[in-house]
Parts: sequence; C-alpha cells; structure tokens
Amino acid sequence: GAVVSQHPSRVICKSGTSVKIECRSLDFQATTMFWYRQFPKQSLMLMATSNEGSKATYEQGVEKDKFLINHASLTLSTLTVTSAHPEDSSFYICSANLADTGELFFGEGSRLTVL
Amino acid sequence: KQEVTQIPAALSVPEGENLVLNCSFTDSAIYNLQWFRQDPGKGLTSLLLIQSSQREQTSGRLNASLDKSSGRSTLYIAASQPGDSATYLCAVLTSGTYKYIFGTGTRLKVLA
Repeated sequence: GAVVSQHPSRVICKSGTSVKIECRSLDFQATTMFWYRQFPKQSLMLMATSNEGSKATYEQGVEKDKFLINHASLTLSTLTVTSAHPEDSSFYICSANLADTGELFFGEGSRLTVL
Repeated sequence: KQEVTQIPAALSVPEGENLVLNCSFTDSAIYNLQWFRQDPGKGLTSLLLIQSSQREQTSGRLNASLDKSSGRSTLYIAASQPGDSATYLCAVLTSGTYKYIFGTGTRLKVLA
C-alpha cells in the first residue's frame, strides 16, 4: 500500500507556543490530505481538508486561526497549532487517498502535549 | 447526512474463534467503504477497501462484505489471534463528497 509519513510522533510544548506537524505522502502525489483529531477511546474527528495550492476547508467548529494548514506541494501538508493551550493536547492524524481508487492511507499520528 | 455505526463497541473472544464485526451506514449512495485497524497510540492501518460495485474483498484471514441496499458491511476474522487485538474502524466515502465518515469503532481483544 501507499505510505504516508507524519512527523513528529510526539511533541511536548509550553502553553502559548506554536507547534508544526508535517504529513508527507512518500510514494504518491496527494492533491488532498485530511487532518483528524482523536480523543482517548473515541473515533476520528475530521478537522480540515488540505488542498494543494489553495486554502484548506475547515469543518464546523474548528478554528482556522488556531489550526493553520498549509499544503504547499503534492507530497506535503502541515498543521500548525498556534498559541497552544493544554486543551489542544490530543492525538492528531493525517491521511491522504489514492486518486484512482479512493483508498485512504494514514500517517502514524502525532501526540501533542501542551504543558 | 451520512452516519456510520459499529456494533459491538467492544468484543473479547478466546484465541482461535471466528468473529464478525459490523458496520452500518445510513446513506447507501457510497463510493467505497474501507476497514482499518488501529493499535493504541498509533495511526490507522488499511485492511480492506470495497468499491461500491463490489460485494466482498478478502485478504488472508480477513473477509469484508458490502451490502449497499441494506447499508451494511461486515468484517469477518477467521481463527483469531492475540495479535488481532486492536480497534477496528470502518469508514465510508459518500458519493459526491470527498469526506470519509468514520464509525465509532469496535475494540477487539483476543485472549490467549
């Protein structure tokens, strides 16, 4: 299957700082990538859809200025959590799908802890 | 609005047992349905993808079926092993949208 890589896998930061998470499609081009947030023992919550070369589409209730998404190339999307607060602590996962089949592939996830 | 439900929420079985996980969706106009497994603290691993024109897909001990008209999919795991212990999620891509809607997941524990 296709490979999606996410980095870093774990990050700890102080309240008020910003954190960037990268999502790369290693062996295919992805015009669209998806960012999810997952709370303990819950399913995935779609935060936004990242579109290469254009603005991301955010889901209702997700703060655009809080969660900045950039999709500058066909293989890289980034999520920046700005002015992080402890309530932003969570597991963030990205995914991308193959254009021909629609099959979805996920990164390894990033555990963010805000102190 | 598409809604995806998985039953049961949790399942504990002895090793070697065959088991079935269920996934239901409310809008039958789907493009595809995909099954994933997630280990604690990890991302999701794709298990099987079923296109809307297909009725089932098989990979090793896994078999997934799709009945669009009734809005159901099942994931059959044969001869379960402790290594199968994980959370299993199904996701549906509704036709005309780009969003994958995820089910609530089934937490499976296979006892040695």
